[in-house]
Amino acid sequence: EAQVTQNPRYLITVTGKKLTVTCSQNMNHEYMSWYRQDPGLGLRQIYYSMNVEVTDKGDVPEGYKVSRKEKRNFPLILESPSPNQTSLYFCASSADRGFTEAFFGQGTRLTVV
Amino acid sequence: AQSVTQLGSHVSVSEGALVLLRCNYSSSVPPYLFWYVQYPNQGLQLLLKYTSAATLVKGINGFEAEFKKSETSFHLTKPSAHMSDAAEYFCAVSDRGSQGNLIFGKGTKLSVKP
Repeated sequence: EAQVTQNPRYLITVTGKKLTVTCSQNMNHEYMSWYRQDPGLGLRQIYYSMNVEVTDKGDVPEGYKVSRKEKRNFPLILESPSPNQTSLYFCASSADRGFTEAFFGQGTRLTVV
Repeated sequence: AQSVTQLGSHVSVSEGALVLLRCNYSSSVPPYLFWYVQYPNQGLQLLLKYTSAATLVKGINGFEAEFKKSETSFHLTKPSAHMSDAAEYFCAVSDRGSQGNLIFGKGTKLSVKP
């Protein structure tokens, strides 16, 4: 089954404790993207990747890092999480740059206390 | 740079009434346009998409949208609202460019009154 898998689904952590949210897709897609969703702000793009070792900043990259060492995985790293990063996070992948057939993960709800 | 503006963060309609959710886009190249729906505590589901074929696009659950280049709009409509349509709706745009990018609007929460 074609899918994008995010882990964990829920996470409560403390300020400053490094964490990684994993994203894996099984469709050999080149394009992947991370979003955060906040009430009233919609989905804002954090980072995106056009292929292995090719990433670029989205609209809200501060406080986040990503890597794309292999095509299937696109982890989101919070080196020193802060409460303002409490949010719902979505990973997406697509075979085409237009995202005409995008697949989304189920989301990761992160709470930083 | 691309952007999407959804007019109205909340829209309330009565069951059986017309649903109209507005979306305007900005893009330097012909865009791809999308409408996604998010039901409470769930992920995103694609309702419909415009990829430069017919300008009137039909989607799932009786929704449709019309691409109007002159108005840079892609409004979502449904002739008759059902209670089950209550959800948040997001308009999105991609520019088909080299970056591979999908940009969302801020969302419109639809309420349906009995």
